[in-house]
Amino acid sequence: AQSVTQLGSHVSVSEGALVLLRCNYSSSVPPYLFWYVQYPNQGLQLLLKYTSAATLVKGINGFEAEFKKSETSFHLTKPSAHMSDAAEYFCAVRTNTGNQSYFGTGTSLTVIP
Amino acid sequence: DSGVTQTPKHLITATGQRVTLRCSPRSGDLSVYWYQQSLDQGLQFLIQYYNGEERAKGNILERFSAQQFPDLHSELNLSSLELGDSALYFCASSPGPPGSYNEQFFGPGTRLTVL
Repeated sequence: AQSVTQLGSHVSVSEGALVLLRCNYSSSVPPYLFWYVQYPNQGLQLLLKYTSAATLVKGINGFEAEFKKSETSFHLTKPSAHMSDAAEYFCAVRTNTGNQSYFGTGTSLTVIP
Repeated sequence: DSGVTQTPKHLITATGQRVTLRCSPRSGDLSVYWYQQSLDQGLQFLIQYYNGEERAKGNILERFSAQQFPDLHSELNLSSLELGDSALYFCASSPGPPGSYNEQFFGPGTRLTVL
């Protein structure tokens, strides 16, 4: 079975500071991993995905994530937070044998001016 | 704009009623997913269809049902509505078959309020 744990339901950072959103996954087979972002009153949109190619994945808006098999982690980072990054972020896992993606409970990012 | 459309945008109804939510996937996408998002439950997977066939079921109540039509649009039917069914309902689509690494493209959602 697959599952995702997002540590920290709320994260606050100052504008210009490093953003680190944590995601740990559980999967018995090699996973595909995704980060989605949800802005207020909108649907989710893909930030980036890992599909077993490069372990460091670059996404939109300056975000990147590193797949670490030994730590079963796929943490999302951005070197310098911008006010427009304030949103809800979801990590998701699926496998090449699975029919569905499993989403984490989400992390709400607040950016303090 | 993800290319996934959902109607209606907002729906207000009373307990005990039945509603139908509609989703049109991106052009060419064969998979459709339904999710429920509420403050206390987070994002919950309900059900998935691929090319008209049900492929996966999540936390979908028996009062809820869905189908995908030959033109690939999908409908989610919610009946005997309860206050706790108030939530955002998202539809998502993806191009590949189940098991592919394609991401899902989410619609803007339907906000259901049950009074």
